[in-house]
Amino acid sequence: GQQVQQSPASLVLQEGENAELQCNFSSTATRLQWFYQHPGGRLVSLFYNPSGTKHTGRLTSTTVTNERRGSLHISSSQTTDSGTYFCAIDQTGGYKVVFGSGTRLL
Amino acid sequence: EAAVTQSPRNKVTVTGGNVTLSCRQTNSHNYMYWYRQDTGHGLRLIHYSYGAGNLQIGDVPDGYKATRTTQEDFFLLLELASPSQTSLYFCASSDGTGGGQNTLYFGAGTRLSVL
Repeated sequence: GQQVQQSPASLVLQEGENAELQCNFSSTATRLQWFYQHPGGRLVSLFYNPSGTKHTGRLTSTTVTNERRGSLHISSSQTTDSGTYFCAIDQTGGYKVVFGSGTRLL
Repeated sequence: EAAVTQSPRNKVTVTGGNVTLSCRQTNSHNYMYWYRQDTGHGLRLIHYSYGAGNLQIGDVPDGYKATRTTQEDFFLLLELASPSQTSLYFCASSDGTGGGQNTLYFGAGTRLSVL
């Protein structure tokens, strides 16, 4: 089945620093999305990004499908960015959505 | 924003007990999902469904049944609960149409403890 690897597993930043979160997956026929989990547990969608680059605020999602990788860039980090970030993939034409193990950001 | 409601929010049961977790979405989404979240494993897919009466097997289905009774309602059943099923359970829904967009919307989660 689909494999999703995220790195790093955890990351500690000083406020104002940038972060780059990585997501690698096992199939080229894949749609990628990013989620943020609040420290209290709530999960929210950040990006649905099958390919290319998308921006919202200080966040940038880049997906290079033929290289089976995606990244989430956080610029000028703030304490409110703390939490866990997940990438998830589903195969084009299918709807089984599989998650990586997450990156915990502090 | 899609609305997904899970109940109960917390549940404690004993080994061998029966538990039903409920999920309702009010946006007429086609797809609904059940995940469990455990430290070190992220979210793991238990079952999912693309409509009333349909059930698809996920990656960790052992010990779980699920039933999609309506477009809105998806239930997760633990008929002989075991301590290994102590976890945080999330339900999610997605439209699954409209050019392939499949953004997931999550409920608040149910924390289950099996003693």
